[in-house]
Amino acid sequence: EDKVVQSPLSLVVHEGDTVTLNCSYEVTNFRSLLWYKQEKKAPTFLFMLTSSGIEKKSGRLSSILDKKELFSILNITATQTGDSAVYLCATLCGGATNKLIFGTGTLLAVQP
Amino acid sequence: DSGVTQTPKHLITATGQRVTLRCSPRSGDLSVYWYQQSLDQGLQFLIQYYNGEERAKGNILERFSAQQFPDLHSELNLSSLELGDSALYFCASSDRAGANVLTFGAGSRLTVL
Repeated sequence: EDKVVQSPLSLVVHEGDTVTLNCSYEVTNFRSLLWYKQEKKAPTFLFMLTSSGIEKKSGRLSSILDKKELFSILNITATQTGDSAVYLCATLCGGATNKLIFGTGTLLAVQP
Repeated sequence: DSGVTQTPKHLITATGQRVTLRCSPRSGDLSVYWYQQSLDQGLQFLIQYYNGEERAKGNILERFSAQQFPDLHSELNLSSLELGDSALYFCASSDRAGANVLTFGAGSRLTVL
């Protein structure tokens, strides 16, 4: 059965800290890995990673994929209270159904 | 505003009842996906439509059904509701038949009493 596992389930940090969120996967027909940020309601797209070892960066957020070890990390440096959210990892799998499989998410709370 | 519109935002109903959730995809997107998010689980894929045709099916119960209309809006029908159906139901859209970067709506929160 395809699965995407995120850790930790939740974490609380202070503003200015750096955090690393983990996502491991065991899926068939892997194509890409995506990160989403979910604040109040709708998840918003952050990154899509297809190639191993190439870091994607957007401001204080960065992410990298390891296709050999089947995991990805999302780093957030100099955290701000606005980074508080649930971060969702999803794998895009090809094949007949071509589906997106989500992990349960990591809840990040950044305290002032 | 993501461009994906879902109605209603929140609905409360009793067990055994039936509800319809509606979704208008982002302009130009042909694919519509439905996901269920409950407290103890992540986003669970229910079903996908592409240009009016069912494209992929996930963990959708037989009590649930969906369709996509010629104007590309989609409806998710939930019947014989149970307490466990209480969840946030998301619609997402993309411009392709295959799953890729999805744009999500704000969700419809269903509470079954």
